[in-house]
Amino acid sequence: KQEVTQIPAALSVPEGENLVLNCSFTDSAIYNLQWFRQDPGKGLTSLLLIQSSQREQTSGRLNASLDKSSGRSTLYIAASQPGDSATYLCAALNDYKLSFGAGTTVTVRA
Amino acid sequence: DGGITQSPKYLFRKEGQNVTLSCEQNLNHDAMYWYRQDPGQGLRLIYYSQIVNDFQKGDIAEGYSVSREKKESFPLTVTSAQKNPTAFYLCASRDGDLPQHFGDGTRLSIL
Repeated sequence: KQEVTQIPAALSVPEGENLVLNCSFTDSAIYNLQWFRQDPGKGLTSLLLIQSSQREQTSGRLNASLDKSSGRSTLYIAASQPGDSATYLCAALNDYKLSFGAGTTVTVRA
Repeated sequence: DGGITQSPKYLFRKEGQNVTLSCEQNLNHDAMYWYRQDPGQGLRLIYYSQIVNDFQKGDIAEGYSVSREKKESFPLTVTSAQKNPTAFYLCASRDGDLPQHFGDGTRLSIL
């Protein structure tokens, strides 16, 4: 059974600092790894998807890396802004099923 | 504008009552999913359906039931057998290995 872990559970940084969010998974036989953003009381918004054959994906200030052999993915957010405050979840896709981490709650202080 | 619509946004259940959460998508996706989210935990899979008239149990299916009579619709019933139903319920759909799309969720509470 796939187990996904996100550390730390919470993070508070001053505006402008770069963010580094970690995700680890136990079963490396994944199809892809996805990063989502969740605002309070809302559903999930997809940020980045990395296919198993890829090493990284970039979108604007966001960059996600994937190391299947070590079971790790990292989400980098450059030059953080107060609007980046949210919970970030990673999820690993095996066959039909996405397995989620518990998330990292980020607070960016103005 | 394509997306997933969940209703209602808030729902209250009395003891011994079954309640049904609605999920409708206009993305033409074959696969649909129901998740439960509790504070401080990741999403847990309740049921999923990869095609009309077919669905499978996820990790925490006990006390829940679903149907998939139409491609667009995947309602979830929380039965009286589910003893701890208070949670945030999220519906999602997916096309192949593309990103999953999520609805805005239904928050279920006990009266």
